[in-house]
Amino acid sequence: DAGVIQSPRHEVTEMGQEVTLRCKPISGHNSLFWYRQTMMRGLELLIYFNNNVPIDDSGMPEDRFSAKMPNASFSTLKIQPSEPRDSAVYFCASSLVETQYFGPGTRLLVL
Amino acid sequence: GQNIDQPTEMTATEGAIVQINCTYQTSGFNGLFWYQQHAGEAPTFLSYNVLDGLEEKGRFSSFLSRSKGYSYLLLKELQMKDSASYLCAAGSGYSTLTFGKGTMLLVSP
Repeated sequence: DAGVIQSPRHEVTEMGQEVTLRCKPISGHNSLFWYRQTMMRGLELLIYFNNNVPIDDSGMPEDRFSAKMPNASFSTLKIQPSEPRDSAVYFCASSLVETQYFGPGTRLLVL
Repeated sequence: GQNIDQPTEMTATEGAIVQINCTYQTSGFNGLFWYQQHAGEAPTFLSYNVLDGLEEKGRFSSFLSRSKGYSYLLLKELQMKDSASYLCAAGSGYSTLTFGKGTMLLVSP
């Protein structure tokens, strides 16, 4: 069975550009989580969905960040406009009960 | 608020035993997770403790004391491939996890 799929795996962009990260959760999982990981702050929860509905977005840094989950098999995290401080690894994870399974991550560099 | 503390770094020798400690303060606590993360890769699930006590899974064991807000991960018969970051995470609310900063374990020959 395929794990969590994320794309792109790497993204380099210039400040001010729009960035869209994509995630396909494990089939049958009903919860989806977006995390950001940096050396300074570690792994931080940005937002999570349950049955495609956003439950808690208190971790989203600011209005430049938005996330959607139009159906059970797809979610996006968008940053518009991007800034250099957004450079990080962004992970998507999914779960059915307690245990979360992580995708390979998107390594984002904003110049 | 949520607070997870674990050592930043540890070193050990191949074949030895190492214990990585974690203390947590989390409202609505419902379980303690350990994840392993190799450099440049995603975190992978190692263990989950809900009740007090020790859970053993091969070379890895995890312990939880809910009353003390304390957990540890025990790694036996260390191998070079065990060099990685080990993340302690407290579960709360509806399946949400609060992660510690991770403990970087370096296993030397």
